[in-house]
Amino acid sequence: AQSVTQLDSQVPVFEEAPVELRCNYSSSVSVYLFWYVQYPNQGLQLLLKYLSGSTLVKGINGFEAEFNKSQTSFHLRKPSVHISDTAEYFCAVSDHTGKLIFGQGTTLQVKP
Amino acid sequence: NAGVTQTPKFQVLKTGQSMTLQCAQDMNHNSMYWYRQDPGMGLRLIYYSASEGTTDKGEVPNGYNVSRLNKREFSLRLESAAPSQTSVYFCASSESPVGETQYFGPGTRLLVL
Repeated sequence: AQSVTQLDSQVPVFEEAPVELRCNYSSSVSVYLFWYVQYPNQGLQLLLKYLSGSTLVKGINGFEAEFNKSQTSFHLRKPSVHISDTAEYFCAVSDHTGKLIFGQGTTLQVKP
Repeated sequence: NAGVTQTPKFQVLKTGQSMTLQCAQDMNHNSMYWYRQDPGMGLRLIYYSASEGTTDKGEVPNGYNVSRLNKREFSLRLESAAPSQTSVYFCASSESPVGETQYFGPGTRLLVL
């Protein structure tokens, strides 16, 4: 069975500082990996995804993530955050069935 | 182009009452999904429909039923609501089940007393 662990439930950071949100997954088969963002009182929207190919994936709003197969990780990074990046971030994994398994979420709190 | 729409936005039910959550998408997507979101647990898949005419159980299907009415619409029914079903429910759609971006609706907040 697949599972996803987001290692931090909350990450406070000052504006313009770099940030990393950590995600580890477990799966016995090849996987597809996703990061979604949820702004307050809204649905989720895709930040980026890894299907195959280059392990460094660039997404919207300056975010990027690196797929590390040996460490079964897919950490999300941004070199300089803005107040508007305050949101909840979800890592998710799927296999050939397409069903998404989400992590518990990480709340990013950007302080001025 | 509204994307994925859900009705109602908010609902209060008493234990034992029934209700249907409606979802529609206008992107001509083949696959549709229902999730519930609870604090500290992320989103969990309730049911999904890989294509029109098919439905399958997800992680937490107990207490729910679904209907893929046509390609656009996918409804979720609670036959006898329980307080444990208090949650935020999200509908999503994607072009196909595997590896595609899922597009989410704004959610329905359900409170069961």
